[in-house]
Amino acid sequence: TQLLEQSPQFLSIQEGENLTVYCNSSSVFSSLQWYRQEPGEGPVLLVTVVTGGEVKKLKRLTFQFGDARKDSSLHITAAQTGDTGLYLCAGEGRDDKIIFGKGTRLHILP
Amino acid sequence: EAGVVQSPRYKIIEKKQPVAFWCNPISGHNTLYWYLQNLGQGPELLIRYENEEAVDDSQLPKDRFSAERLKGVDSTLKIQPAELGDSAVYLCASSFGFDTQYFGPGTRLTVL
Repeated sequence: TQLLEQSPQFLSIQEGENLTVYCNSSSVFSSLQWYRQEPGEGPVLLVTVVTGGEVKKLKRLTFQFGDARKDSSLHITAAQTGDTGLYLCAGEGRDDKIIFGKGTRLHILP
Repeated sequence: EAGVVQSPRYKIIEKKQPVAFWCNPISGHNTLYWYLQNLGQGPELLIRYENEEAVDDSQLPKDRFSAERLKGVDSTLKIQPAELGDSAVYLCASSFGFDTQYFGPGTRLTVL
């Protein structure tokens, strides 16, 4: 069974600080996606990474796919209160099946 | 462009009652997904349709859950009878092939 483990589960930091959250697996994924979900809403796709070692930037967010395509990280620079939410990673594994991690719940304090 | 529409947004029922959820995907999206999301967890795939064919229903508890997408557009997910452990958010998503999945807001089910 392919699993994605996200860490930390919860993170609460002050506005303006930097943070990194992780998504790890023992399995290889052909691509990996990061979503953000706000209360009462469905997940919204932030980025898809497909190449080992790939780095993508989305304003203050930097996404990295591990060289072996088994792990990924999301780094947020100068966090803002609007970054608060549940961050989910999802991998496309065997049989084109999308598997989600349990998420990191991020709370940015003003 | 309208996003994925789900109804109802909230549903409270007593255990052993039936319940149904409805999803209208984004126009032109041939792939439709139903997910279950428990509190504090990531979504778990229940069933995936390509047009009207269920191509992956391996995680659907078929003793009480059923789904249909008769004309390859709207879909309905049913639970009969509901159990306390079915309380969760049921998310619908759609995509064009294996492109980006767009999620609806979900239906929050509470079974008493």
